[in-house]
Amino acid sequence: GQNIDQPTEMTATEGAIVQINCTYQTSGFNGLFWYQQHAGEAPTFLSYNVLDGLEEKGRFSSFLSRSKGYSYLLLKELQMKDSASYLCAVTSGNTDKLIFGTGTRLQVFP
Amino acid sequence: EAQVTQNPRYLITVTGKKLTVTCSQNMNHEYMSWYRQDPGLGLRQIYYSMNVEVTDKGDVPEGYKVSRKEKRNFPLILESPSPNQTSLYFCASTGTGISYNEQFFGPGTRLTVL
Repeated sequence: GQNIDQPTEMTATEGAIVQINCTYQTSGFNGLFWYQQHAGEAPTFLSYNVLDGLEEKGRFSSFLSRSKGYSYLLLKELQMKDSASYLCAVTSGNTDKLIFGTGTRLQVFP
Repeated sequence: EAQVTQNPRYLITVTGKKLTVTCSQNMNHEYMSWYRQDPGLGLRQIYYSMNVEVTDKGDVPEGYKVSRKEKRNFPLILESPSPNQTSLYFCASTGTGISYNEQFFGPGTRLTVL
């Protein structure tokens, strides 16, 4: 089966850096997505990793280690609007399903 | 504007009364799917469709039906809703290949079954 783990909640201060971890177990791994979801709203795409390494997109970066079944999302220069849930999701090679983790709720304080 | 639309956005109904939640996308996407989101459980896929007339079960299909008669539409049908189907529902679409493309989500439908 597939299993995805991420912390339930995290807090951080405005202007700081925060790292949200995601570990997964899946057969035939294809790729890993990160989505952001503000309370009561739809998820929106942040990043996609298929190869090992770091993908940088402005203040957000995502890292993947396929051999360790591990990813993290790095948020720099935190802003109040970054308070949201961050969802890790993986796809495996033998299905067309996207499996989501339960999400990490990040609260940014002034 | 490229978007996924869902209707209704909010619905309160009673046990056993059939309902349909519509989903439409204007991006000519092949792949569409339905999710439900519950506290502590995250997003779980109900059904997905890789193209017209092609549908398949996700992880939690019990109590739901779907159809894909046209590329742009993917309605979710609850033939006999029960209280455990109270949830927040999202429709999503993507270009060919769920493994490689971001999904675009609709705004969500909050369903309460009494």
